[in-house]
This record gives sequence, C-alpha cells and structure tokens, in this order.
Amino acid sequence: DADVTQTPRNRITKTGKRIMLECSQTKGHDRMYWYRQDPGLGLRLIYYSFDVKDINKGEISDGYSVSRQAQAKFSLSLESAIPNQTALYFCATSDSTGGRSKNIQYFGAGTRLSVL
Amino acid sequence: AQTVTQSQPEMSVQEAETVTLSCTYDTSENNYYLFWYKQPPSRQMILVIRQEAYKQQNATENRFSVNFQKAAKSFSLKISDSQLGDTAMYFCAFSALNTGNQFYFGTGTSLTVIP
Repeated sequence: DADVTQTPRNRITKTGKRIMLECSQTKGHDRMYWYRQDPGLGLRLIYYSFDVKDINKGEISDGYSVSRQAQAKFSLSLESAIPNQTALYFCATSDSTGGRSKNIQYFGAGTRLSVL
Repeated sequence: AQTVTQSQPEMSVQEAETVTLSCTYDTSENNYYLFWYKQPPSRQMILVIRQEAYKQQNATENRFSVNFQKAAKSFSLKISDSQLGDTAMYFCAFSALNTGNQFYFGTGTSLTVIP
C-alpha cells in the first residue's frame, strides 16, 4: 500500500552494525506495528504502538528497539545486527477509531535485510 | 494465547478451477476478527477478505469466500475460477480486541495456479 512507506527497500549490513528501518504513513492511522517474516514461520510481531507515547513489546522484541517520532512515523532499530536477524521486515498500520477499515492492518512493501 | 495453524504448506490448482485453503485457530476470546492476506512475488501483503466473529454470515469478496465455523474454530478460504494472478502465498490471521488488535499469523500456504 503506497500509503505506508518503508525505507530502505533492501539493505545489506555486517554483523555488529547498528541500522534503522523507517516507516511513514499518510493514512492518519493511530496504530503502527513492526513484523518480521521468515520462511516457514509467517509474520511475527516485534513491537507495536498505539500512539506516540504508547509502545509495546511483541512476541520477538529482543535485539530490537523502536521509536515513534510522530503519529505518522515509526522506526525500528537493530542496535547490533546479527545474522539471524536476516529477514523480511514489514511495517503496518491500523485505525482503532471506527469505520469500515477498523482493525484492518495495512502493510508497507517490506524491507529485505541481510546481515552478513 | 492465540495460535493460527495452516496445515497446507503448498497447494496447486488448475486455472479456472476452485481451491480451498484451510486455517484453524485457537483462542478463548469471543470478540475477534479473522483475515486472509495474499502475498504475491512482489512481497506486498494484500488483504483478501475479513470476517467478524460475531457475524454468522460468511464473508465474500468476488471470487473469494470463506467458510467460518466458529465452534470448530475453522476459517477456510475458497477461491473460485482461479486465475494465474492468484499465485501467491496466503496467510490466515487472527486479531482480538482484548489483545490490542495484535495480529497472529499462520505460517502460510503457497498456492500455484497452473495454466
């Protein structure tokens, strides 16, 4: 969905490096999420945020941190990247305030990260 | 805890035929949503269909329909008149209001439509 933009689209980095994946949205949604996708495992939740001051750990938060800089921006950081963090990362947004789109999550195009 | 199980890692169907993808879930919640998302080779996650648990009527979206069996905790996706563009990974997902709309995904079913 072009309304949810992830940068970069692809990234190769080395073990021990700090990297940041960025997500911005123009949908006006209050909630934002970060997932990682691994082959055979589906998508797993890393962190989620209900608003700028409300950030929560997901199923697999170890080794990651997040920052909700504004309602429209939610970034994911790997403080010291390791090879098993090689995966496809997705940002998603949802609207908790009602309407037909309530509770649907809209995804960005993903960031493919390789840690060597 | 919520779990979502897709027991068919791979499936194939002839073009124009019908195929059904299976999904089961486990939850103690009463108020929840179920979804099917499609991920084509472009890797974009695209919503196919949504079902609200309190609705008994099965959701339909054009060629896509679901068979929602709440008591059995089953949520299968039927694709009619399969098209080559339906070739993709399909993920079943669960979301409950009491768990903050966190999504729990199955491991996916890779569907190939054969010309």
